[in-house]
Amino acid sequence: AQSVTQPDIHITVSEGASLELRCNYSYGATPYLFWYVQSPGQGLQLLLKYFSGDTLVQGIKGFEAEFKRSQSSFNLRKPSVHWSDAAEYFCAVVDGSARQLTFGSGTQLTVLP
Amino acid sequence: DTEVTQTPKHLVMGMTNKKSLKCEQHMGHRAMYWYKQKAKKPPELMFVYSYEKLSINESVPSRFSPECPNSSLLNLHLHALQPEDSALYLCASSQDSRPGANVLTFGAGSRLTVL
Repeated sequence: AQSVTQPDIHITVSEGASLELRCNYSYGATPYLFWYVQSPGQGLQLLLKYFSGDTLVQGIKGFEAEFKRSQSSFNLRKPSVHWSDAAEYFCAVVDGSARQLTFGSGTQLTVLP
Repeated sequence: DTEVTQTPKHLVMGMTNKKSLKCEQHMGHRAMYWYKQKAKKPPELMFVYSYEKLSINESVPSRFSPECPNSSLLNLHLHALQPEDSALYLCASSQDSRPGANVLTFGAGSRLTVL
C-alpha cells in the first residue's frame, strides 16, 4: 500500500528565509505527487503536482518541488518565505492501483517577523 | 468558474437532528468527493462519486448518507450523529477519478459541531 511521510510536524522560519518541507513516499512505481496548502479553517489549495517529465516542478506562490526517485522524495522549497505562507502543508500521492489521494500527516509552518 | 462552493460554512446540530451539507461545482468535473478532517490531521476520504454514481465508500457509518443529484451537486445527509463526528467536512471535485485526471479542487469546508 502507498504511504506518505512528512517527518517534520512543525517548522518555524523567519520571514525572508528559505524553506524546505520534506516528503517521502513509499510506492513501487512512479506515483502522482502533490503538495497542498491549508490555511486555518479553510479548504486545501493545490500548490503544485508532478506526474512525469522534468523532476523540478514550479507551482503557485513561488513554490517549487523536486522529485528524486532514488530518495523516494518530493520536497517542497521556497527561496524567501513571506508571513502569508504560514499554514499547514500536506504532501499527497496517488498510485495507479489505489486511484485515490493518500495524504501525509502535514507540516505546520510558522513564520516569524 | 474554478470554485467548489460548500454550504453551510458552520453547522451546529444535536444528536437527534437531521441536516445536510451541500457542495456545488460548475467546472464540468465528473468526480466529486467527501472528506472528513479532524483538527491537526490530514483529510480522510469518505465517499467518491464518479459520473454521478457512488464508486467508493470508505466504510463510512450509515448515519452519513451521500447523494449526487446531478453532475454539479453533491450532498451529505446527516442523521443521528455522535459528538465524535464533529469535524471539518471538505468537498472536492476533479475532472474524473482516473489517476492523472484526479487533481482535486477543494471547497472551503463545512465546520460541523455535534452537541
